[in-house]
Amino acid sequence: KAGVTQTPRYLIKTRGQQVTLSCSPISGHRSVSWYQQTPGQGLQFLFEYFSETQRNKGNFPGRFSGRQFSNSRSEMNVSTLELGDSALYLCASSLAVQTGVTDTQYFGPGTRLTVL
Amino acid sequence: AQKITQTQPGMFVQEKEAVTLDCTYDTSDPSYGLFWYKQPSSGEMIFLIYQGSYDQQNATEGRYSLNFQKARKSANLVISASQLGDSAMYFCAMREGTGANNLFFGTGTRLTVIP
Repeated sequence: KAGVTQTPRYLIKTRGQQVTLSCSPISGHRSVSWYQQTPGQGLQFLFEYFSETQRNKGNFPGRFSGRQFSNSRSEMNVSTLELGDSALYLCASSLAVQTGVTDTQYFGPGTRLTVL
Repeated sequence: AQKITQTQPGMFVQEKEAVTLDCTYDTSDPSYGLFWYKQPSSGEMIFLIYQGSYDQQNATEGRYSLNFQKARKSANLVISASQLGDSAMYFCAMREGTGANNLFFGTGTRLTVIP
């Protein structure tokens, strides 16, 4: 079974631009979560989508948004990029058959975004 | 307060030896899950092992085992017979039973296996 895929793997943008990152979950997985990883802040939760609805959201400004499609693929968008948005963006998928602590998240390889 | 604390920024271990990576957690939720992930330099987070708060026995997965001490709120990862390919960042994470479905991560431990 194929793992979580993310495209593109690397991205270079300039301040003020916007960017869209894509994530394809493991087949059959219904939940997709996004995380931002930076050397200073570590791994931080952005948001989670389940059945095309945002179920949870982390403490990030409204410039960060996402969506999920009917095939569970997800995209996240960052508008008006700032230098501090440079990070590794990780997508994770899980079965989410039922809520609970046992639902294991499987991560993709990440998209490394550099903002100049 | 930090929900997950990893106090070892870096660790070294000789090849074929065992190593313990520390993790303590903080939650008032009686139901929670603890996870360990490995992140090689390529960036992908690889799931290693899971321990539930109600699990009676310590979790094991091949060369990985989790030393779960509930009263101390610790969930240390033990890697036996270290291999060169084990060199990576290791993250401890927790999901609480109530509230959001997201994982809270520690700051990680960089493990270097010495030949």
